[in-house]
Amino acid sequence: GAVVSQHPSWVICKSGTSVKIECRSLDFQATTMFWYRQFPKQSLMLMATSNEGSKATYEQGVEKDKFLINHASLTLSTLTVTSAHPEDSSFYICSARQGPNIQYFGAGTRLSVL
Amino acid sequence: AQTVTQSQPEMSVQEAETVTLSCTYDTSESDYYLFWYKQPPSRQMILVIRQEAYKQQNATENRFSVNFQKAAKSFSLKISDSQLGDAAMYFCAYREDRDDKIIFGKGTRLHILP
Repeated sequence: GAVVSQHPSWVICKSGTSVKIECRSLDFQATTMFWYRQFPKQSLMLMATSNEGSKATYEQGVEKDKFLINHASLTLSTLTVTSAHPEDSSFYICSARQGPNIQYFGAGTRLSVL
Repeated sequence: AQTVTQSQPEMSVQEAETVTLSCTYDTSESDYYLFWYKQPPSRQMILVIRQEAYKQQNATENRFSVNFQKAAKSFSLKISDSQLGDAAMYFCAYREDRDDKIIFGKGTRLHILP
C-alpha cells in the first residue's frame, strides 16, 4: 500500500522554540493532507486540512498562528509549532489522501516541550 | 454534528476466540463511509476495513468483518480467530461522502490473552 512518511518521529525542544514536522507521501501525489493531534490514551482530533497551493483550513479552536501549515508540493506538507510550550506536548499524526476514498497515515511525531 | 461512539474502552479476548467491538454513530447524511482503524503500540494507524453506506453487504477482510446496520446507525467489528498481533487500540471512524474529514471514536483497547 501507499506510504506516508513523517519526520521526525520524536522531538524534544525547549519552551519558546519552534518545531517543524514533515509529512511526505512517498509513492503518490496528495493534493490534500491532514494533521491530527492525539493526547495520551485519547482519540485523534483533526487540527487542519492542508491543501496544496492554498491556505490550510483549520478546525474550530485550533490557532492558525500557533500551528503553521505549509503544503508547498504535492508530496510534502509541514506543520510548524511556533513558540512551543509544554501544553503543546502531544502526538501529532498526518495523513494523505490518495484518490477520493483512501487516506494513509504517517507513523506520527511525539513532541515533548520542556 | 456527526459523532462516533465506542462504548467499550477496553476488551479482552482469548487467543483464537472471536470478539466483537461496538460502534454507533450519528448523522443525518445518507452517503458516507465507515472505517475501523487499528493503532498498535507503534502508533501507526492501519486501516482494517471500510464500509460504504450505500452497500448493504457487510464488508469482510480475512478474519475481520463488520455488522453494518444503517437504520440503527451501528457498525460493529468482529475479529475471528484472534491472534496476539491483533492487540491494539481500535478506532471506529466516519466520513461523509462529500467531505474528506474523518471523525474518530474514542477507541477500544483490545487485549489478547494467550
